[in-house]
Amino acid sequence: EVQLVQSGAEVKKPGESLRISCKGSGYSFTNYWIGWVRQMPGKGLEWMGIIYPADSDTRYSPSFQGQVTISADKSISTAYLQWSSLNASDTAMYYCARHDSDVYPFDYWGQGTLVTVSS
Amino acid sequence: DVQMTQSPSSLSASVGDRVTITCRASQDIRNDLGWYQQKPGRAPKRLIYAASTLQSGVPSRFTGSGSGTEFTLTISSLQPEDFATYYCLQHHSYPPWTFGQGTKVEIK
Repeated sequence: EVQLVQSGAEVKKPGESLRISCKGSGYSFTNYWIGWVRQMPGKGLEWMGIIYPADSDTRYSPSFQGQVTISADKSISTAYLQWSSLNASDTAMYYCARHDSDVYPFDYWGQGTLVTVSS
Repeated sequence: DVQMTQSPSSLSASVGDRVTITCRASQDIRNDLGWYQQKPGRAPKRLIYAASTLQSGVPSRFTGSGSGTEFTLTISSLQPEDFATYYCLQHHSYPPWTFGQGTKVEIK
């Protein structure tokens, strides 16, 4: 069974750093693109970027380029989303999701990680 | 960037109604579009990919159609479990891929 299990909710202060994770199981993690999607409170879905764990090829939305870092550790089947300096506007639910074998996006999703940034 | 315009932003419907949601792309995206359902407090779920291919396990009352710049998601007979928010996602050209703004389907 394919599963994406994300790390737990985080409460951080502005200026702090953070890395959240997404662990894949039940499939060959290395060979499937994984993406990240943001959902701010009460708002819609926003595509942030994707990574191919086999070679760490990464594509970012211009809206998120330079604001976050997407990475993956194929040895432990885990993708990451990282901030070096959070601000209040980063408060959101973040989902990871996998592409299918035909590279159509997001057939399986993680449960989401809620990030709250507040002083 | 390809812009996706989804309509309506919300609708009220009754159980058994036929419901249609539309996404229009700002340029030709062939059939590079999927539809997703999200219930409150839950992760989205893929319903349709490649514009018209039903995801395994999704009820056949969900139908996707269209190509190029205009796409529709139709629910042939709305069921209680279908009350949710629906999003389209284009994946023709990136970065970025883009979601529609969402359509909230509520009970009349």
